Amino acid sequence: DTEVTQTPKHLVMGMTNKKSLKCEQHMGHRAMYWYKQKAKKPPELMFVYSYEKLSINESVPSRFSPECPNSSLLNLHLHALQPEDSALYLCASSQDPGTSGAYEQYFGPGTRLTVT
Amino acid sequence: GQSLEQPSEVTAVEGAIVQINCTYQTSGFYGLSWYQQHDGGAPTFLSYNALDGLEETGRFSSFLSRSDSYGYLLLQELQMKDSASYFCAVRDWSSARQLTFGSGTQLTVLP
Repeated sequence: DTEVTQTPKHLVMGMTNKKSLKCEQHMGHRAMYWYKQKAKKPPELMFVYSYEKLSINESVPSRFSPECPNSSLLNLHLHALQPEDSALYLCASSQDPGTSGAYEQYFGPGTRLTVT
Repeated sequence: GQSLEQPSEVTAVEGAIVQINCTYQTSGFYGLSWYQQHDGGAPTFLSYNALDGLEETGRFSSFLSRSDSYGYLLLQELQMKDSASYFCAVRDWSSARQLTFGSGTQLTVLP
């Protein structure tokens, strides 16, 4: 199984709502990632979890709150978002790079988020 | 920090060969990856080069020259389904778990 799943596929939320994005992988990967991607732009790294611990936070506003309940799951909690936060949110996973010479990130299909 | 440059657009016809170049600046370079992304889809991994030379996977090949801080993706026998965005991405020693993506090259394959 080389699949990363994300739910929901689409999400529309108001600026006062609280919602969560979910990501799951069963490849035994110990590194998981959240990216934000705007149209016609590359993915921008938001957070990296390694062995369920937050290892990188790319100065993301606190209205985005990541959580890694276990090695297979990654959540992104959203609160008081702004319209400019509308984007495709991608989850990815990989083997911990320290244990392998090869390096490949597997991406989920993303959640298309619209903030109204 | 890191910076990558790749062409914004490339157009070619079916059956042709196209090369997408990527130059990068980074400290402590670890490797160069290539990802493909169709409109509305997720990025999918194509190749990873850590050492100089050519890596071939079917119709796609990727090349790296560490001394020139340069790599390219070569797509042969182009098919319509190859129309997509192609991103190069670097990984460096400052954070081995982090990929920094180039701005992407939109490839259009014409019949």
